[in-house]
Amino acid sequence: EAGVTQFPSHSVIEKGQTVTLRCDPISGHDNLYWYRRVMGKEIKFLLHFVKESKQDESGMPNNRFLAERTGGTYSTLKVQPAELEDSGVYFCASSLLGGAGELFFGEGSRLTVL
Amino acid sequence: GESVGLHLPTLSVQEGDNSIINCAYSNSASDYFIWYKQESGKGPQFIIDIRSNMDKRQGQRVTVLLNKTVKHLSLQIAATQPGDSAVYFCAERVGGSYIPTFGRGTSLIVHP
Repeated sequence: EAGVTQFPSHSVIEKGQTVTLRCDPISGHDNLYWYRRVMGKEIKFLLHFVKESKQDESGMPNNRFLAERTGGTYSTLKVQPAELEDSGVYFCASSLLGGAGELFFGEGSRLTVL
Repeated sequence: GESVGLHLPTLSVQEGDNSIINCAYSNSASDYFIWYKQESGKGPQFIIDIRSNMDKRQGQRVTVLLNKTVKHLSLQIAATQPGDSAVYFCAERVGGSYIPTFGRGTSLIVHP
């Protein structure tokens, strides 16, 4: 069974540009999460989807970040316009609704804003 | 605000030694705790979890200890191997929530 996949693995953009990150969760996982890790710091929660609905987006830094999960399958996270402080590794994770609690993470998308 | 944190950012051990990674949490409403391992270039991978109604849980070469009195969590790795070198994160989850909160991580370096 395929795990959580993320694309791109690394993106380098100029300040002010737009980037869209994509996450394909494990098939059948209704819970989908976005997290971000800035160098040397904790993995910070951004938002949580259940199917196509945003359940909690309290971690989204500001309105430059937009996450979608149309159809309840894959999700995208768009940053527009990107700022220097947006650099970091963006992780997507998925889990079964009502599951034991284990999150399955993708390998992350590293974003570098110059 | 309440947060999950770690005492040591880096831990160096010799191959074959036992490793202990510590984690302090401050949210008394947390009832589920998880340890994740993140190898370079990969995403966090589940190692072991423990619920607040337990104080110890064992896996293969790993043991998690939970001390609710002092809000402390530890991960013990027996006979540490070079392949154990990674960043280890503890995470907590409040009852009724689907969202784990992660700490900063501890880098474990195993010397052959």
